[in-house]
Amino acid sequence: EAQVTQNPRYLITVTGKKLTVTCSQNMNHEYMSWYRQDPGLGLRQIYYSMNVEVTDKGDVPEGYKVSRKEKRNFPLILESPSPNQTSLYFCASSPSFGGGSLVETQYFGPGTRLLVL
Amino acid sequence: AQSVTQPDIHITVSEGASLELRCNYSYGATPYLFWYVQSPGQGLQLLLKYFSGDTLVQGIKGFEAEFKRSQSSFNLRKPSVHWSDAAEYFCAVGAGGFKTIFGAGTRLFVKA
Repeated sequence: EAQVTQNPRYLITVTGKKLTVTCSQNMNHEYMSWYRQDPGLGLRQIYYSMNVEVTDKGDVPEGYKVSRKEKRNFPLILESPSPNQTSLYFCASSPSFGGGSLVETQYFGPGTRLLVL
Repeated sequence: AQSVTQPDIHITVSEGASLELRCNYSYGATPYLFWYVQSPGQGLQLLLKYFSGDTLVQGIKGFEAEFKRSQSSFNLRKPSVHWSDAAEYFCAVGAGGFKTIFGAGTRLFVKA
């Protein structure tokens, strides 16, 4: 089954304690991306990756890091989390940017709800 | 700077009635445009996208959207709404490189 998995699904942590949210896809997709969702602000892109070892900043990259060492994995790293990073995070993948051709689509993970105290 | 505006925070439509959700974007070149839906049962889904060519694009679940360059708009439409369409809808623009900028979303309520 085609899917994007994220772990953990829920996380409570304290300010400054490094954490990693994993994202994995089983569709051999080249494009992967991280978003955060906050009430009234919609979705905002954090980082994206066009392929292995190719990453770039989205709209709100401050305080986050990513890596893409393998095609299937795209972890999101918060080196020193702060309360303003409390949010709902989504990972997504697609054959290429925008879901590829018109018949291809983008797949989203189930989300990770993070609370930073 | 690139931006997306969804003027309606929420909309209520009767079941069976037609629907139009508004989206306006700001982007200098020909944009890539997207509509997404987020519902509790199905998470986030890409409904449809516009890259180039025909300005009327068809998506999943019976939705369509029309790109109007002169109005910088990409409105989402459905001729007859079903109760299961109640969800939050996000418009987005491909904002140069491979970045995506989203609107704040429109929540759709469906009246029985």
